[in-house]
Amino acid sequence: QSVLTQPPSVSAAPGQKVTISCSGSSSNIGNNYVSWYQQLPGTAPKLLIYDDNQRPSEIPDRFSGSKSGASATLGITGLQTGDEADYYCGTWDSSLSALVFGGGTKLTVL
Amino acid sequence: EVQLVESGGGLVQPGRSLRLSCTASGFSFGDYVMSWVRQAPGKGLEWVGFIRSKVYGGTAEYAASVKGRFIISRDDPKSIAYLQMNSLKTEDTAVYYCTRAEIAFDYWGQGTLVTVSA
Repeated sequence: QSVLTQPPSVSAAPGQKVTISCSGSSSNIGNNYVSWYQQLPGTAPKLLIYDDNQRPSEIPDRFSGSKSGASATLGITGLQTGDEADYYCGTWDSSLSALVFGGGTKLTVL
Repeated sequence: EVQLVESGGGLVQPGRSLRLSCTASGFSFGDYVMSWVRQAPGKGLEWVGFIRSKVYGGTAEYAASVKGRFIISRDDPKSIAYLQMNSLKTEDTAVYYCTRAEIAFDYWGQGTLVTVSA
């Protein structure tokens, strides 16, 4: 059971928008920065979002991050078939003194 | 170009030891925190631990699941991070990724598979 809760799967049509939630507590999301990672099939994870809502320069602005209280959200607009992947949220947990990840969300672009 | 290359994975019996290496290039290795993250077959990501840069003491932190069994170290002149895994258990079977941990895990290696089985 992951400390951070993500939906196991989400789906949407090409060109549409999807959001992926990540729910935690005050000891993790509520007081620490959240990052998001994309893992395409058979590859290593890749950083999409850091510090709640910042994108590395090579990440397109179709990807966005937000946070409110103890929950964070990853948004993807203009969905493409190449966005089909597993998405993970991660943050530091101050109570556990550990880096924690969500269980991952599988995105299907129908 | 930042590159991280893991090596040292393989098949090992329960209770034995294995050492993984992560060879870095393309950045000033000694200035960065380095971390290990693993992924069991068909499962999600699990943080293993990280080691701070020498400027911040070069100390390491570990996940509860590996604390006391795994040791992370670094050789800054060679730009290599190590993961010494002792008293291995079947549940340690996973792909082990080396990551650079600056603002977040901003660069990842391709991973190396460790299989713990009799």
